Amino acid sequence: ETGVTQTPRHLVMGMTNKKSLKCEQHLGHNAMYWYKQSAKKPLELMFVYNFKEQTENNSVPSRFSPECPNSSHLFLHLHTLQPEDSALYLCASSPPLSGETPGELFFGEGSRLTVL
Amino acid sequence: DAKTTQPPSMDCAEGRAANLPCNHSTISGNEYVYWYRQIHSQGPQYIIHGLKNNETNEMASLIITEDRKSSTLILPHATLRDTAVYYCIVRVARPTTDSWGKLQFGAGTQVVVTP
Repeated sequence: ETGVTQTPRHLVMGMTNKKSLKCEQHLGHNAMYWYKQSAKKPLELMFVYNFKEQTENNSVPSRFSPECPNSSHLFLHLHTLQPEDSALYLCASSPPLSGETPGELFFGEGSRLTVL
Repeated sequence: DAKTTQPPSMDCAEGRAANLPCNHSTISGNEYVYWYRQIHSQGPQYIIHGLKNNETNEMASLIITEDRKSSTLILPHATLRDTAVYYCIVRVARPTTDSWGKLQFGAGTQVVVTP
């Protein structure tokens, strides 16, 4: 138990569906992240939020839409995805991105997405 | 952030020390060395980090060379549960608005601990 909870753990969707991934952290952190891990590829950073403000969008297609309503919750809204978007989507949180020492990231277990 | 180079895989006998090397020859003076691991189908787990001095915690030890161009993660008594992909990452210490200290993962080292 890392203090970062992701739901659902598994999701199967068609290319025309709209779904959302949810992440919740109970660690009092103020930075949250979405990473994508495709089969046999390194983790790719997608989005970073610091104090609810998006600070990084790593050239992610617009069919992925993040939302951070508060420092404890992060969503990834999905629409009109492609089969190549099938992957493990990982959420992480950390202390705020400020100060002298970057805090370690705490990851959730991930949401495994399959796009048919 | 500086790039890192790790061997793609290594085996280790249960109960022995596992020494995982990492090269980061372009590391800057303000960059930390971080180690994470990812057990199959789980999220990555933080292990340890350091700047210049060697560090030890309940999971592992981190040895950083004097020139900081390489480091070694040591798992003192490897167990079967230590089988995972281990990532060595360098990360800027003082994030700016252009570099929010984000972690960039490489391919890592697949460590297999055998009985």
